[in-house]
Amino acid sequence: NAGVTQTPKFRILKIGQSMTLQCAQDMNHNYMYWYRQDPGMGLKLIYYSVGAGITDKGEVPNGYNVSRSTTEDFPLRLELAAPSQTSVYFCASSYSVRGRYSNQPQHFGDGTRLSIL
Amino acid sequence: DAKTTQPTSMDCAEGRAANLPCNHSTISGNEYVYWYRQIHSQGPQYIIHGLKNNETNEMASLIITEDRKSSTLILPHATLRDTAVYYCIVRVGAGNQFYFGTGTSLTVIP
Repeated sequence: NAGVTQTPKFRILKIGQSMTLQCAQDMNHNYMYWYRQDPGMGLKLIYYSVGAGITDKGEVPNGYNVSRSTTEDFPLRLELAAPSQTSVYFCASSYSVRGRYSNQPQHFGDGTRLSIL
Repeated sequence: DAKTTQPTSMDCAEGRAANLPCNHSTISGNEYVYWYRQIHSQGPQYIIHGLKNNETNEMASLIITEDRKSSTLILPHATLRDTAVYYCIVRVGAGNQFYFGTGTSLTVIP
């Protein structure tokens, strides 16, 4: 089972460049999430989506954009890369009934390691 | 903000039980407690979750106090491969978001 697939695994960007981090899940999950993890820290939520066409901000959304045109895919866009965005990015998905507290765990991908120089 | 408090680090002898505590004193009645672990900056791995009853699966046991203000994750026979950072998470929000703290770094000692 593929689960949550993130591409690329590694990337180096120059300041001011843009890129899209890809995330795809094959579990028919309606909820998807993007986190970033800085060295020695826990994960922080960037954006999340409760279904196709619906996205919302998390704790640290500045400098990022997302879209959710399909259930399977949830790409994260960096428009003007800055050194502060050097981090490891994790995508996750889960199934939840809309508007209700869920007991289903989130499933995480293996991450994208991004360096901005 | 993270709604959980965990010790920064713990050691455990190989073969012994590892007991990892978590305080979640502001938890609401319908919020679940989840435990994940992360090995070498890989993606977080789900371990177990619960609401108010104790839970057990093939990886671990979860003991939740009656007032639900704290819980303990138990790894019954720790191995070297259990060395990892363990996160206790309370799920909140309309999007069922996770708020991660800094977790407990568990080192299993031979």
